[in-house]
Amino acid sequence: GAGVSQSPSNKVTEKGKDVELRCDPISGHTALYWYRQSLGQGLEFLIYFQGNSAPDKSGLPSDRFSAERTGGSVSTLTIQRTQQEDSAVYLCASLDWGVLEETQYFGPGTRLLVL
Amino acid sequence: GDSVTQMEGPVTLSEEAFLTINCTYTATGYPSLFWYVQYPGEGLQLLLKATKADDKGSNKGFEATYRKETTSFHLEKGSVQVSDSAVYFCALRGGGSYIPTFGRGTSLIVHP
Repeated sequence: GAGVSQSPSNKVTEKGKDVELRCDPISGHTALYWYRQSLGQGLEFLIYFQGNSAPDKSGLPSDRFSAERTGGSVSTLTIQRTQQEDSAVYLCASLDWGVLEETQYFGPGTRLLVL
Repeated sequence: GDSVTQMEGPVTLSEEAFLTINCTYTATGYPSLFWYVQYPGEGLQLLLKATKADDKGSNKGFEATYRKETTSFHLEKGSVQVSDSAVYFCALRGGGSYIPTFGRGTSLIVHP
């Protein structure tokens, strides 16, 4: 079946503008993660959704960052009043805890550049 | 808290050379350990994993053994190919946690 998709693939914005990044997980995957990948850095965890439970927002770097997941499927990561340090690749991953393999399936990412 | 340390890259090898990418970790309890690979322009994909001490994960000629005594999970391949050029990430997930911790990644460049 289809993998995890993200849109847009690239986004250039001006400092101070708001941006929305979209993630379509694999159908049936109840777990969804957002990560940030900065140049030369590892993956920085941002937020985790699991089913109808309250999300784990412990990785969000500031209150300018928020995310929602509608209907247990599509997720949107919103960054308000973007800053140049927000420039990075934003990765989404989904996972099905019901199978033993415990494999995160990653999307190709959205490359964000804040000018 | 949990942490993963990988050797810095880039690692540059000739085709058919032996590969080792070191990974050590700090975690409480008994974490699951993973290697992910990111090919140019693509998302990460799971390469192999191990869930308990002395387990060996293997896939596509790559291997890694869960060494609890040295808290390591080094990635090895006996003969690399140009197509193995990618960034490799070591990761762990602590018992009872849903959030994995990733290393910084190691870039591998294989020349013909």
